[in-house]
Amino acid sequence: AQTVTQSQPEMSVQEAETVTLSCTYDTSESNYYLFWYKQPPSRQMILVIRQEAYKQQNATENRFSVNFQKAAKSFSLKISDSQLGDTAMYFCAFMIDTGNQFYFGTGTSLTVIP
Amino acid sequence: GAVVSQHPSRVICKSGTSVKIECRSLDFQATTMFWYRQFPKQSLMLMATSNEGSKATYEQGVEKDKFLINHASLTLSTLTVTSAHPEDSSFYICSARVVDRRTNNHHYNEQFFGPGTRLTVL
Repeated sequence: AQTVTQSQPEMSVQEAETVTLSCTYDTSESNYYLFWYKQPPSRQMILVIRQEAYKQQNATENRFSVNFQKAAKSFSLKISDSQLGDTAMYFCAFMIDTGNQFYFGTGTSLTVIP
Repeated sequence: GAVVSQHPSRVICKSGTSVKIECRSLDFQATTMFWYRQFPKQSLMLMATSNEGSKATYEQGVEKDKFLINHASLTLSTLTVTSAHPEDSSFYICSARVVDRRTNNHHYNEQFFGPGTRLTVL
């Protein structure tokens, strides 16, 4: 069975500062994908960043980057230069390469303080 | 590209009535669509996986006679909540897997999400 754990229910960060959201997962699979999704108050799920497990290089997307530690099964999200629009729920998600199903973490509510 | 729409965005109905929610992939073919339910401040809970032209696969604990899913075309899946009751009130989200039209391969195993439907049963 696959599980995804987000141990930080709520976090806050000052505008322009950096924040890191934690995610760990458990799987016996070797080929899989990891994702961070953002859900703002509008409730629309927005893909922030994705990581293929076979790639050692950490994914980056502008102010968003991940620290992917495959051996530790850890997939944290770093948001640099935080902006007010980053305020949202953030979900870590996992999907095996041959599967269909996404496994979501419980989410981290991030508030950016002006 | 890869836009998924849902209709309606909000619906209020009386207890005992049925409600249909549509999920459409606007600019791509979606052989597989997913239906999620989300309670306030909680994560998404997968209800069922919908494959075009075949019966949906329901997750454990989800009543298939209660939540009817039809995936009649490559761009449309519908979720019908039958004989809705107040405990069915929730936020329902659909998603679709992107299929590369050139290769017919799933693109990055990614799912694109609809904007959700808020159902309130009085």
